[in-house]
Amino acid sequence: AQSVTQLDSQVPVFEEAPVELRCNYSSSVSVYLFWYVQYPNQGLQLLLKYLSGSTLVKGINGFEAEFNKSQTSFHLRKPSVHIRDTAEYFCAVTFRGHTGFQKLVFGTGTRLLVSP
Amino acid sequence: NAGVTQTPKFQVLKTGQSMTLQCAQDMNHEYMSWYRQDPGMGLRLIHYSVGAGITDQGEVPNGYNVSRSTTEDFPLRLLSAAPSQTSVYFCASSYAGMEGEYFGPGTRLTVT
Repeated sequence: AQSVTQLDSQVPVFEEAPVELRCNYSSSVSVYLFWYVQYPNQGLQLLLKYLSGSTLVKGINGFEAEFNKSQTSFHLRKPSVHIRDTAEYFCAVTFRGHTGFQKLVFGTGTRLLVSP
Repeated sequence: NAGVTQTPKFQVLKTGQSMTLQCAQDMNHEYMSWYRQDPGMGLRLIHYSVGAGITDQGEVPNGYNVSRSTTEDFPLRLLSAAPSQTSVYFCASSYAGMEGEYFGPGTRLTVT
């Protein structure tokens, strides 16, 4: 069965510093990978996704993620964070190669806290 | 486009009451899903639908019913509310699953 692990429940960082949010997954088959962001009292918004091709994926708001198949990781990075990046970030994975609905499995989330 | 809309935004129920959470999307997406979000547990899939008239169970279906009579609407029914169903509920839709899902703003439900 698939599972997604986000080891850091909270990551505090100062404004303009770089940040990396870690995501590891377990799956014996190829997967699609996603990062979502949730701002306070809002729904989830898709940040970026990896379906195939280049392992470095660029998303919205200056975020990027790198797919590492050998380490089964999909870490999210931003070289310089802003106060407005304070939010909860969720990594999610789904099966690749299946037809029909592909269920998303979410990690437990990482709260990014950016302070001045 | 309004995207995915959910009503109500907030709801308080007493144990044993029933209610329906509404979800609608105007993007002509075939796939729709219901998730619940609880602290420290991420999002868990309750039920999903791959098209009008077709639904299936997710990870935590007990105590919930769904139906899909149109492409646009996917209501979630709580049959007899329990305190364990206190949560934030999100509806989502997608064109083909692997493209990522679009989420509604959520319904915060409290069962006393």
